[in-house]
Amino acid sequence: DAKTTQPNSMESNEEEPVHLPCNHSTISGTDYIHWYRQLPSQGPEYVIHGLTSNVNNRMASLAIAEDRKSSTLILHRATLRDAAVYYCILRGVFGNEKLTFGTGTRLTIIP
Amino acid sequence: DAGVIQSPRHEVTEMGQEVTLRCKPISGHNSLFWYRQTMMRGLELLIYFNNNVPIDDSGMPEDRFSAKMPNASFSTLKIQPSEPRDSAVYFCASSLGADYQPQHFGDGTRLSIL
Repeated sequence: DAKTTQPNSMESNEEEPVHLPCNHSTISGTDYIHWYRQLPSQGPEYVIHGLTSNVNNRMASLAIAEDRKSSTLILHRATLRDAAVYYCILRGVFGNEKLTFGTGTRLTIIP
Repeated sequence: DAGVIQSPRHEVTEMGQEVTLRCKPISGHNSLFWYRQTMMRGLELLIYFNNNVPIDDSGMPEDRFSAKMPNASFSTLKIQPSEPRDSAVYFCASSLGADYQPQHFGDGTRLSIL
């Protein structure tokens, strides 16, 4: 699986937008970009995924660079509940159901 | 709707004992995954099933670990004999099976082997 690179940690103020970056310079044309997060003492939780176009859902937005070598997860208005470890994961289109988790970015929200 | 249900939530047992972790996937999901999380190694996939058939068990650490899925609504992960280094949080996840479908995780079983 192609690898991703994320900052180890980030901080953000409550009620402000948060931009979580992910680099994936070796991404292949058929790799989807998935984001999961893990809140304290819970299992990982799906956030969003995309292939080429930017994506929005009720939790977040995903902005994908034109060359697809990087992406950014955007939380539009961070709350204390968004404090978690965020994982950026690449998954191939065919025959690749498993998720390979890296170390992720630990997001701290400052009240 | 009920999510993925794991039991027990916590297990403390002595070295050498048999440990059985249980998982009930979301109804209708046909893929099931077992993960293990430790501070040292992070989250790692142990095994996954598709339509109750084991597809990839390359992450199973050794012969002491075994997993079964006798039907679409139940799976077990067994450790026999258990060792202190097996202490970890074990997660079960399920999905609809298509490659891009999200996986839904349970709350995990925190296992401590003394």
